[in-house]
Amino acid sequence: DVVMTQSPLSLPVTLGQPASISCRSSQSLVHSDGNTYLNWFQQRPGQSPRRLIYKVSNRDSGVPDRFSGSGSGTDFTLNISRVEAEDVGLYYCMQGTHWWTFGQGTKVEIK
Amino acid sequence: QVQLQESGPGLVKPSETLPLTCGVSGYSISNGYYWGWIRQPPGKGLEWIGSVYPSGSTYYNPSFKSRATISLDTSKNQFSLRLTSVTAADTAVYYCARLTSAMVDWGQGTLVTVSS
Repeated sequence: DVVMTQSPLSLPVTLGQPASISCRSSQSLVHSDGNTYLNWFQQRPGQSPRRLIYKVSNRDSGVPDRFSGSGSGTDFTLNISRVEAEDVGLYYCMQGTHWWTFGQGTKVEIK
Repeated sequence: QVQLQESGPGLVKPSETLPLTCGVSGYSISNGYYWGWIRQPPGKGLEWIGSVYPSGSTYYNPSFKSRATISLDTSKNQFSLRLTSVTAADTAVYYCARLTSAMVDWGQGTLVTVSS
C-alpha cells in the first residue's frame, strides 16, 4: 500500500496570511505513463470534497489563484498565498498512481 | 454532467451486512471510468474501499478485501457495495464516486451507523 502522510494535521492561520500543507508518499508517485497523480481536495463542513489541484500543480476551473500545488516524486505541497475565511475546512492529498490513497487530512481554521 | 446518489439503510446491526447502491445519471457506467466507494468515519479522514471497472474487474483496499464486494448493474446504471461482518468501526459517511487517477466525482454521501 502507498501511505500518504500530511502535516500539519491542524493549521490555525491569520486571515490574509499564507498557509502551507505538506504531503509525503511512502513511494514515488510517478506513473509508468510519466504523469504524477497527486491531487488535492478541499472539504468544507457538511459537504462532499471537491478537487482543487490535479497532477501536482494544475488548478481546477473556478479555484482561486491563491491556491497552488508543487512537488515531485514523494514530496508535495499545497500553498494558500493569502488565507480567506472561505478557505476554512479540511484539505486532503490523494494519490491516484497506485490505486487510491488519501492523506489523513489537514484542518485549516482561522486564528 | 454525471450525478451520483447513494441509497441504503441508515442503520445496520453489528455482525450484519451493509448494503449500499449508487445510482448514476448523466453517464453510462458501461462506457468507462472506475466506479467506487470511499468512506469517512465521523471526525476522521477519507478511506478508499474499492472500485470496479466496466469490464467487471474489481480492486480493493487491502484493509477491506475480505469483507467488501463491489458490483455493477449496467441495466439499471448503478453499482453496489456489500460490506460484511460490520462493527461500530464501520460507522461512517459512505460516498460513491466516479474515479480516475486524477479525478473523483463524488456523491452526496450517506451516513451509515452500526449499532444494535
